[in-house]
Amino acid sequence: AQSVTQLGSHVSVSEGALVLLRCNYSSSVPPYLFWYVQYPNQGLQLLLKYTSAATLVKGINGFEAEFKKSETSFHLTKPSAHMSDAAEYFCAVSESGGYNKLIFGAGTRLAVHP
Amino acid sequence: GAVVSQHPSRVICKSGTSVKIECRSLDFQATTMFWYRQFPKQSLMLMATSNEGSKATYEQGVEKDKFLINHASLTLSTLTVTSAHPEDSSFYICSARDPTVVNTGELFFGEGSRLTVL
Repeated sequence: AQSVTQLGSHVSVSEGALVLLRCNYSSSVPPYLFWYVQYPNQGLQLLLKYTSAATLVKGINGFEAEFKKSETSFHLTKPSAHMSDAAEYFCAVSESGGYNKLIFGAGTRLAVHP
Repeated sequence: GAVVSQHPSRVICKSGTSVKIECRSLDFQATTMFWYRQFPKQSLMLMATSNEGSKATYEQGVEKDKFLINHASLTLSTLTVTSAHPEDSSFYICSARDPTVVNTGELFFGEGSRLTVL
């Protein structure tokens, strides 16, 4: 069965600092991996996705993530945090082929302080 | 990009009444939609997979008689919470796949509907 583990339910960084949100997955087949962002009382917006092409994936708002099969990880990074990055971030996994449901991690709440 | 819209965004109802939430794909036809439930400060839990023209597939532990899902057209799925109780209060989010997009498993999400049962 697939699963996603997000280490750290809360992450706090200073504005301008590096953002690192951790995600590890478990899948018996090559996975598709996603990072979504959720602002308060809103739905989810796709930040980026890995679908077996380049292992380093660039997304919107300056975010990127690297797929590391040996570590079963897909950590999300951004070189310089902005106040507007404060939100809830979810990592999700789907079996390759994409016809399957998404399984979400518990989420990480990112706080950015001046 | 593909747009999914939910209505209403907020609804308050009395205990024992039923509430319907609509999920529409605005610029594509969605043969499959998914309904998620999110409790405060928690992740999204998949409730059911809604298939156009057929019965929904419910996840284990989800009461299909309480959470009625109808997917009568390629652009509309509805979730009806029947005989709502305060414990049904939650944030409900629908999502859909755009079949015209090269299939990557990506889901497009609605804005969510916050249900409060008094």
